[in-house]
Amino acid sequence: KQEVTQIPAALSVPEGENLVLNCSFTDSAIYNLQWFRQDPGKGLTSLLLIQSSQREQTSGRLNASLDKSSGRSTLYIAASQPGDSATYLCAVPMYSGGGADGLTFGKGTHLIIQP
Amino acid sequence: DTGVSQNPRHKITKRGQNVTFRCDPISEHNRLYWYRQTLGQGPEFLTYFQNEAQLEKSRLLSDRFSAERPKGSFSTLEIQRTEQGDSAMYLCASSPLGRADTQYFGPGTRLTVL
Repeated sequence: KQEVTQIPAALSVPEGENLVLNCSFTDSAIYNLQWFRQDPGKGLTSLLLIQSSQREQTSGRLNASLDKSSGRSTLYIAASQPGDSATYLCAVPMYSGGGADGLTFGKGTHLIIQP
Repeated sequence: DTGVSQNPRHKITKRGQNVTFRCDPISEHNRLYWYRQTLGQGPEFLTYFQNEAQLEKSRLLSDRFSAERPKGSFSTLEIQRTEQGDSAMYLCASSPLGRADTQYFGPGTRLTVL
């Protein structure tokens, strides 16, 4: 059974700092990995999707890397801003014979950027 | 608006009552997923549909939980005889044909069981 772990569980940093969020997964046979953002009491917004054949993916100040062999992914946030405050979740697909079913999520990292 | 919508956004009920939530996926998305998220946890996959067929339901939490998607468009999730432990955020997501790995999430329905 796939398990996804995110470290740290919570992080508070001053505005302007660069930071790294970590995600690890136990079964390296994944097709892709996604990073999501969740604001309090809201749904999820997809930030980055990295295919298994890719090593990294970038969107603005966000950069996600994937190392399948070691079962790890990182989300790098450059020049953090108070608006980045949210919970960040990583997820990998579950697969059955019929293709992708749901996603397996980590518990998330709760990020606070201090103004 | 072409996003995933869920109704109601909030539901407060008494223990033992039945509740039903609705999800309207992005139009033309043939897959629809339901998740439950409790406080401090990531979403937990419950079930999914491809068009009107429910292809995975073994992860539904108990036989009190059921879901339908009768015409392959909107879906409903019903919880019978609610318990306090059912209090959670219920999230719906949809994905387009051929892109089952890419799911678009709705805002969720927050259930509180008193």
